[in-house]
Amino acid sequence: AQRVTQPEKLLSVFKGAPVELKCNYSYSGSPELFWYVQYSRQRLQLLLRHISRESIKGFTADLNKGETSFHLKKPFAQEEDSAMYYCALRQGGSEKLVFGKGTKLTVNP
Amino acid sequence: EAGVVQSPRYKIIEKKQPVAFWCNPISGHNTLYWYRQNLGQGPELLIRYENEEAVDDSQLPKDRFSAERLKGVDSTLKIQPAELGDSAVYLCASSLDPGQETQYFGPGTRLLVL
Repeated sequence: AQRVTQPEKLLSVFKGAPVELKCNYSYSGSPELFWYVQYSRQRLQLLLRHISRESIKGFTADLNKGETSFHLKKPFAQEEDSAMYYCALRQGGSEKLVFGKGTKLTVNP
Repeated sequence: EAGVVQSPRYKIIEKKQPVAFWCNPISGHNTLYWYRQNLGQGPELLIRYENEEAVDDSQLPKDRFSAERLKGVDSTLKIQPAELGDSAVYLCASSLDPGQETQYFGPGTRLLVL
């Protein structure tokens, strides 16, 4: 069965510091990976997906099949990045998303 | 565009009472999802509709939960009777079609069962 693990429940960094939110997955096939974000008092929204290989709000994530990871990175964190971040996996050919438990990122001034 | 609309936003009920949640997806979105999010957890899929057909309800506790999307647009999720463990946020999401990767989420309904 597919599983998504986000080992850090809480992550706190200072403004301008690099940030990495970890995500590991368990799936034997070819997965599609996503990062969703929920800012305070806002709804859950898509941040980025691995197949797009794009940078959104300065965030990037690379799918590492060897390490079964999809870590989210940003070189210089901003206060407005403070939010809950959820990693999600969708198995090929399925529409079902499996979410991790989330990491709460706090960027301190 | 209002996005996915859900009501009510909050609901407090006593155990054994029934409760219903309503969702109106983004106009034109054929696929609708209901998720449950327990405290400290990520969302978990309960049921997925493609138009009016429930195509994945394997995670829906069918003894007390039911859902419908009669005209393939808005949807209702019902719990009867509610139990203490049903306290959670119930999220609705929609996407343009099954192959559309982006799911758009509503604000959720926060349910507290006393």
